[in-house]
Amino acid sequence: GNSVTQMEGPVTLSEEAFLTINCTYTATGYPSLFWYVQYPGEGLQLLLKATKADDKGSNKGFEATYRKETTSFHLEKGSVQVSDSAVYFCALSGESGGSYIPTFGRGTSLIVHP
Amino acid sequence: EPEVTQTPSHQVTQMGQEVILRCVPISNHLYFYWYRQILGQKVEFLVSFYNNEISEKSEIFDDQFSVERPDGSNFTLKIRSTKLEDSAMYFCASSARPKNTDTQYFGPGTRLTVL
Repeated sequence: GNSVTQMEGPVTLSEEAFLTINCTYTATGYPSLFWYVQYPGEGLQLLLKATKADDKGSNKGFEATYRKETTSFHLEKGSVQVSDSAVYFCALSGESGGSYIPTFGRGTSLIVHP
Repeated sequence: EPEVTQTPSHQVTQMGQEVILRCVPISNHLYFYWYRQILGQKVEFLVSFYNNEISEKSEIFDDQFSVERPDGSNFTLKIRSTKLEDSAMYFCASSARPKNTDTQYFGPGTRLTVL
């Protein structure tokens, strides 16, 4: 079946540090890949997505590249801010019985200190 | 920007009681979903719904669960007889289409606590 593995958190960084959150996946076929962000007290918001191999999703300074050869979709940001503190979820949407059911990772908490 | 809303934000109930969680999806969306997230664990798919019927459901979605679209705007999740292990955050989501490239928009969640 489909699965998503994310690095354990929390990830604690100082403001302006470089961020990488690793995500690898297992899936049949050609899934789409997503990163969602959950700010405290809020629901999941789509951060970025990529729908085919070698696509790069980007938004708000965050980037992730769909690497089929390494089955990875690592999230990166060159300079984090305190306001980036949140939980980040990697997810894939792959076919299951003719429908597309998302599979989420466990989430990685990011804490950014001033 | 349109958004998915959910009520209540927090529900506390006694074991064995029925609860109904409510969601208002984005108005022009046609596909609706429920997920749950037990504290500290991953977000798990429960059910998808289209054209007034269930499209897909997971193993978690047993006979204790049901979904309904009682009118043109609300989408509800009912748990008939709650168990302690039903305590979780429940998220509703909607999308315009069910394709894997389409974005699902999530509500803020309802935290259900079963005592």
